[in-house]
Amino acid sequence: DAKTTQPPSMDCAEGRAANLPCNHSTISGNEYVYWYRQIHSQGPQYIIHGLKNNETNEMASLIITEDRKSSTLILPHATLRDTAVYYCIVRVNYGGATNKLIFGTGTLLAVQP
Amino acid sequence: ETGVTQSPTHLIKTRGQQVTLRCSSQSGHNTVSWYQQALGQGPQFIFQYYREEENGRGNFPPRFSGLQFPNYSSELNVNALELDDSALYLCASSLDQAGDTEAFFGQGTRLTVV
Repeated sequence: DAKTTQPPSMDCAEGRAANLPCNHSTISGNEYVYWYRQIHSQGPQYIIHGLKNNETNEMASLIITEDRKSSTLILPHATLRDTAVYYCIVRVNYGGATNKLIFGTGTLLAVQP
Repeated sequence: ETGVTQSPTHLIKTRGQQVTLRCSSQSGHNTVSWYQQALGQGPQFIFQYYREEENGRGNFPPRFSGLQFPNYSSELNVNALELDDSALYLCASSLDQAGDTEAFFGQGTRLTVV
């Protein structure tokens, strides 16, 4: 079962920041938070990941709360091409032998013109 | 472009048949995972291969099997196809199996079982 909870859908105006929340209250100390997005019928696209500290790259910023029980993905200036399903994932690591991405149902972000 | 390529892109099979899907991982990546995505659902983990060995499996029956080759490319085989096997099959490659290594997905193979 997914270890994350996300709202099923959100709207955002083009050019504005999109803030996508995620709850992961049962996360363990060595588990990373990953964000992927999936545009209709394409493979998921990696966005960003983090453990404890906030992270930023050319696509987005990831803000993780101090207790690590929730996080927020920020797309600073949303465009129509950012319309997609966004998945927040806790990457489960079984002592290094296996790790897998457990996808939930994600948040459908609709960027409006 | 992630450098992960899957073939074929689309496939139609009859119930009871067998199918082989292929994945070429990104250069230098030694870990490949396979996922099944039914319509309207998130991807579900099938199994993972690390250096030619299966080292993790999701809740899928034994008729789902795989291989990883010395060049780290991979195959997913499904025997005795059922209608519910209709889905988008995704492979993802990563540099290794560590928890802080991002996985990159291919575009998937759309399998339809009739």
